[in-house]
Amino acid sequence: GNSVTQMEGPVTLSEEAFLTINCTYTATGYPSLFWYVQYPGEGLQLLLKATKADDKGSNKGFEATYRKETTSFHLEKGSVQVSDSAVYFCALHPTQGGSEKLVFGKGTKLTVNP
Amino acid sequence: ETGVTQTPRHLVMGMTNKKSLKCEQHLGHNAMYWYKQSAKKPLELMFVYNFKEQTENNSVPSRFSPECPNSSHLFLHLHTLQPEDSALYLCASSQAGGSARLSEQFFGPGTRLTVL
Repeated sequence: GNSVTQMEGPVTLSEEAFLTINCTYTATGYPSLFWYVQYPGEGLQLLLKATKADDKGSNKGFEATYRKETTSFHLEKGSVQVSDSAVYFCALHPTQGGSEKLVFGKGTKLTVNP
Repeated sequence: ETGVTQTPRHLVMGMTNKKSLKCEQHLGHNAMYWYKQSAKKPLELMFVYNFKEQTENNSVPSRFSPECPNSSHLFLHLHTLQPEDSALYLCASSQAGGSARLSEQFFGPGTRLTVL
């Protein structure tokens, strides 16, 4: 079946530190991959996405590259800010089976200290 | 209004009450979703509606009753809930049946539900 595994949190960093949140997936075919972010007290927002192998999604300084060979979609940011404190969810949308539902990871809470 | 809206944003109810959560999307989408997010569990998909037809029910207890009168509105009717049902309930919408590029889901801000 389809599944997403992301690194356990919480992750605590100092401002301007480098961030990596690992995400690996299991799926048949070529799923679309997403990173969503949830700021405190809010719903989820799409952060970035990639729809085929070797695509790089990027937004707000965050990047993730769709790696088919390692079935990964790790989230990176070179210099985090306090305002990046949030919960980050990796997700996939399968291209087979006709389902419209996203498969989410468990989420990784990031806290950035000044 | 733009995007996906949810009302109320906060709800406190007793176990014998009946209440409803409302979701409205202004994006022209044809698929809508209810999710439950609690502190102890990851994001749980509850229901999926595709062109107003329920296409997924993830073994949700009958005390949660969804209703989708049209492709823009989604309700979650609540009755005789339990304290463990306290959670953030999120609504989302997407354009179903399109290409992979359209599979993005747009979320509302959620309703924070507390069951006493």
